[in-house]
Amino acid sequence: AQKITQTQPGMFVQEKEAVTLDCTYDTSDPSYGLFWYKQPSSGEMIFLIYQGSYDQQNATEGRYSLNFQKARKSANLVISASQLGDSAMYFCAMREGGTSYGKLTFGQGTILTVHP
Amino acid sequence: DAGVIQSPRHEVTEMGQEVTLRCKPISGHNSLFWYRQTMMRGLELLIYFNNNVPIDDSGMPEDRFSAKMPNASFSTLKIQPSEPRDSAVYFCATQGRLYGYTFGSGTRLTVV
Repeated sequence: AQKITQTQPGMFVQEKEAVTLDCTYDTSDPSYGLFWYKQPSSGEMIFLIYQGSYDQQNATEGRYSLNFQKARKSANLVISASQLGDSAMYFCAMREGGTSYGKLTFGQGTILTVHP
Repeated sequence: DAGVIQSPRHEVTEMGQEVTLRCKPISGHNSLFWYRQTMMRGLELLIYFNNNVPIDDSGMPEDRFSAKMPNASFSTLKIQPSEPRDSAVYFCATQGRLYGYTFGSGTRLTVV
C-alpha cells in the first residue's frame, strides 16, 4: 500500500491566487512527521514546511501553510498568493517513528503551473 | 555552510562500467540518505546511515549497488557493473536538526 498519496498529477493556478496541493498518508505509528518539498526544473530539492503528528497547530512558513487533518490522514499544502516562481514539482513526504532521524517516504509528486 | 555536496553533477558511462557517486554531508549532520529519482518510480530510498552505520539498505536494488560511509564527512554509492536501467538522478541528503533534511544537487547518471 502506498504510504503517501498525491492524487493530483498536475495543477494549474493563476498568479496571485491560492492553491491547495493534496496529500494523504497511511501509517499506524502514532509518531510521525510530514514534509513538503519543492523541486523546480533545475532539479534541486527545497524543503518547504514540516508538521509533526503531535503538533496542535497547523504549520506555516511564509506563504506556505499545511492543512493538517489527522483523523483524515491528510496534510495538504496551501500556497497563498501564487507567484510564477512557484511553478515546480511538489512532493509530500513522511517520516515514521518517534526518533529524530529516519527515512523519508515520498509521494509521486504534483506538478504546479502558475499562469500569469 | 556549503550544504550537501555531490559529485559529479553529471555522469555518462557505458554499460558494464563501474560508477562511483560521492557525497560530502553537512558537518555535524549525523544521518545520510541516498535516494534515486526516476520518472517511473519517483523518489526511492536506496540506503541510509546514522552515525556512519548503515541502518536500512532494503532499497538497494541488487548486489551491483553498494554504499559506504567510512567517516562522518564522506559517503560513496557505487554501481558495478552499471546497466542502462540505472540511469536516474541520485540524491544524497543529510539530516542534522530535529526535522530538517537537506538534499544535495544530485548526480544525473546516464548509462548507455
